[in-house]
Amino acid sequence: DVKVTQSSRYLVKRTGEKVFLECVQDMDHENMFWYRQDPGLGLRLIYFSYDVKMKEKGDIPEGYSVSREKKERFSLILESASTNQTSMYLCASTRARSWAGEETQYFGPGTRLLVL
Amino acid sequence: AQKITQTQPGMFVQEKEAVTLDCTYDTSDQSYGLFWYKQPSSGEMIFLIYQGSYDEQNATEGRYSLNFQKARKSANLVISASQLGDSAMYFCAMREGPDQGAQKLVFGQGTRLTINP
Repeated sequence: DVKVTQSSRYLVKRTGEKVFLECVQDMDHENMFWYRQDPGLGLRLIYFSYDVKMKEKGDIPEGYSVSREKKERFSLILESASTNQTSMYLCASTRARSWAGEETQYFGPGTRLLVL
Repeated sequence: AQKITQTQPGMFVQEKEAVTLDCTYDTSDQSYGLFWYKQPSSGEMIFLIYQGSYDEQNATEGRYSLNFQKARKSANLVISASQLGDSAMYFCAMREGPDQGAQKLVFGQGTRLTINP
């Protein structure tokens, strides 16, 4: 079974702190994604990566950066956390294929981040 | 413009009844895929069912079926004989493309389903 793990389930940080959210997958997937989930807005893509050291902006990259030094690990970084970044953060991964059909994304358990 | 629209923020259904969760989508691609996910209160996203744009039959997985109406651009999820454990958030998502790289998904706003005993 595919396993995607996230470093923390719950996190409380102060405004201005640098925050690292870690995601690790154990199935040798090429693609990894970071989403944030907010009530009434669904999941919105922050960044994704299709290879080591490669990254692409999603729909809402402002205030975030990412790092992918190893294939299995994709980190989301909040350089200076703000209260409007309080949210649920979900990591996902999938294999890279030219047309994947019903290849689903596999999600981690999520990190609920509270910025005070 | 919203690519995936779920117009029902919340639904309440009696146990054992069937329930339909609405999803409409907007794309100009001929090839695309539609997904439904379940998110219980614990937070994990559980893949339920997939429908490809070229699939002629509606997808089914156990008690889940997808009512795919391509001309109307709708992909409603039908849950038959609902159970208390079906209470959760449900998300519709679309993958556009054929995609040569990462398969990005676009999600709807979600519908919170509550099953009453």
